Amino acid sequence: NAGVTQTPKFQVLKTGQSMTLQCAQDMNHEYMSWYRQDPGMGLRLIHYSVGAGITDQGEVPNGYNVSRSTTEDFPLRLLSAAPSQTSVYFCASTRVGPGGYTFGSGTRLTVV
Amino acid sequence: GQQVMQIPQYQHVQEGEDFTTYCNSSTTLSNIQWYKQRPGGHPVFLIQLVKSGEVKKQKRLTFQFGEAKKNSSLHITATQTTDVGTYFCARWDGGSSNTGKLIFGQGTTLQVKP
Repeated sequence: NAGVTQTPKFQVLKTGQSMTLQCAQDMNHEYMSWYRQDPGMGLRLIHYSVGAGITDQGEVPNGYNVSRSTTEDFPLRLLSAAPSQTSVYFCASTRVGPGGYTFGSGTRLTVV
Repeated sequence: GQQVMQIPQYQHVQEGEDFTTYCNSSTTLSNIQWYKQRPGGHPVFLIQLVKSGEVKKQKRLTFQFGEAKKNSSLHITATQTTDVGTYFCARWDGGSSNTGKLIFGQGTTLQVKP
């Protein structure tokens, strides 16, 4: 089992560029989430999904779009990158019921 | 939803000393989860507490859920250098159980001096 796979691991963008961070899980988990992590700010929820076709906003959704067309995939789109979006992004998944999220290894994004 | 507050933000201990981090909420929590993130790594789920007054142990780690379900603590006995990292508590938002929307505290970063 690969668990939660995030690509790319590192990315540098110019201000205004768009890109998609990929996230895939092979555990048939219903729930998936995207977090960003900045120094001193902990993990902040961007968007989450409770199943294919269902997404909702988290704490810091502005500037990001998501979709969930399959159970396995949950891509995060930056429409017009800004320096404030420089961060480490984590994707995570979990099943319905007791238990915690399984995290991917993260994408380190720098916007210049 | 209300964020859970963690204290302290940072803690430096000598190897062999004990360590405790606290997670507090102004509202009653349905459950609380704890995660550990090693430097440069990703968060790893440690445990979930559900019942009022619950105490769970994992080797040198002791997790407690308060009687009023408004606070939780993680205690490490006799710290080792392998305990270095950031410890997060987290709560499910918007429901009585697993809602998919997991909100994290700001974390406590533990440094251990050998």
